[in-house]
Order: sequence, then C-alpha cells, then structure tokens
Amino acid sequence: AQKVTQAQTEISVVEKEDVTLDCVYETRDTTYYLFWYKQPPSGELVFLIRRNSFDEQNEISGRYSWNFQKSTSSFNFTITASQVVDSAVYFCALSEGREYGNKLVFGAGTILRVKS
Amino acid sequence: EAQVTQNPRYLITVTGKKLTVTCSQNMNHEYMSWYRQDPGLGLRQIYYSMNVEVTDKGDVPEGYKVSRKEKRNFPLILESPSPNQTSLYFCASKATLNQADTQYFGPGTRLTVL
Repeated sequence: AQKVTQAQTEISVVEKEDVTLDCVYETRDTTYYLFWYKQPPSGELVFLIRRNSFDEQNEISGRYSWNFQKSTSSFNFTITASQVVDSAVYFCALSEGREYGNKLVFGAGTILRVKS
Repeated sequence: EAQVTQNPRYLITVTGKKLTVTCSQNMNHEYMSWYRQDPGLGLRQIYYSMNVEVTDKGDVPEGYKVSRKEKRNFPLILESPSPNQTSLYFCASKATLNQADTQYFGPGTRLTVL
C-alpha cells in the first residue's frame, strides 16, 4: 500500500538554525512522484517541489534543499538558516497513478515553529 | 491569475442542513479533486473527477456527493451534514491525468457542523 510517514509531529527551532523535516514513503510503483507542500498559518497549501523516482539528484532552492534517497525510501526537506516566516505545517505527499485515482497520499504533516 | 477558488471560506451549520461548497478553476484543468484535512491524519481524498461527467470515490466518500457538469466547476455536496464532517476542506486541480502533474489547491473551506 502507498503510505507516507512524517514521524516528526512538531519541531521548534530558534531563528537561523538549520532544520530537517523527515519523510519516509512506501510504494508499490517503480515510477512515482513525491511532493512537498507548505501550509502557513493562513491555511492555504503552497506547492514547494516535485521529485520523480528516477532522478535522485538533490535539489536546492535558496534556503531550501531536498534529499531524495531511494535506498531508504526517504525524501527529506532541509531549511537552512530558518526564519520566522518558515513557521508552517509541512506536508510530504506521494502521487498515485491513474488506476488509483491520481490522488495524493499525504503524510500527517510536521508543524515547524521558528522562534525569534 | 491562474487559481482554484472555493466558497464559502468559513461555514458553521447544524446537523442535517444540506450544504454545498463550490470549487472553480480557471486553468482548463482536466482533473479535479476534494480532500479533507484533519489533525494527525494529513489530507485524505474524498472524491475526484477525471473529466466532465466522470467522478469517482476517493478514500473517505461517505456522506458526500459531487458533480462535474462543467470542466471548471466541481462542487462538494453534504446532503445531511454530521459533526464528524467538521473539517478543513480543500479542492484541487491538475492539468492532465498524468501522475507527474502537480495538484494545485484552493484556499480551503473550514466547516463546523454543530
């Protein structure tokens, strides 16, 4: 079965600290897609990144970086030099194929609190 | 501006009073979907639609109905709401049925059923 686990329910850091959010997934597919979304206090869901299963190159976007490791079925997200504006709930998700309704399977989310 | 819109954004209602949450996208997307978000559970899919007049159940469809009469609209209907349907609801859409496509979400509708 498809499953996404975000074991960290809540993380608190002080501004400028680096923080890593863990995501572990289970899938039956050989080709699959992983996503991260951010949900700030205002409530909307903001798309951050998509990664396909055949590209294990890590990705960096400003202070954000993602480490995809197929061998451990993990897709971790690191924020460098965290800021108060990074406070949000972060969701990791796995995309199902058409035969399973094209749905996103979400983890439970990690609440990140960045204190000044 | 490309977007998914939902209305209302907030709704407090009573058990048994039928309600509809509207969802509209202006991107000519083929696929639309509804999710509900509950603490500790992440988001779970309620219903989805792969095309006009084509809808199907997701993981938690009980107590909900949907329709897709036009490509841009995908309303969520609660015929007889109950307190366990108190939740945050999101509509989402994506361009095609390709597994790789990114789903974009509406702003959410916070529903409270008393």
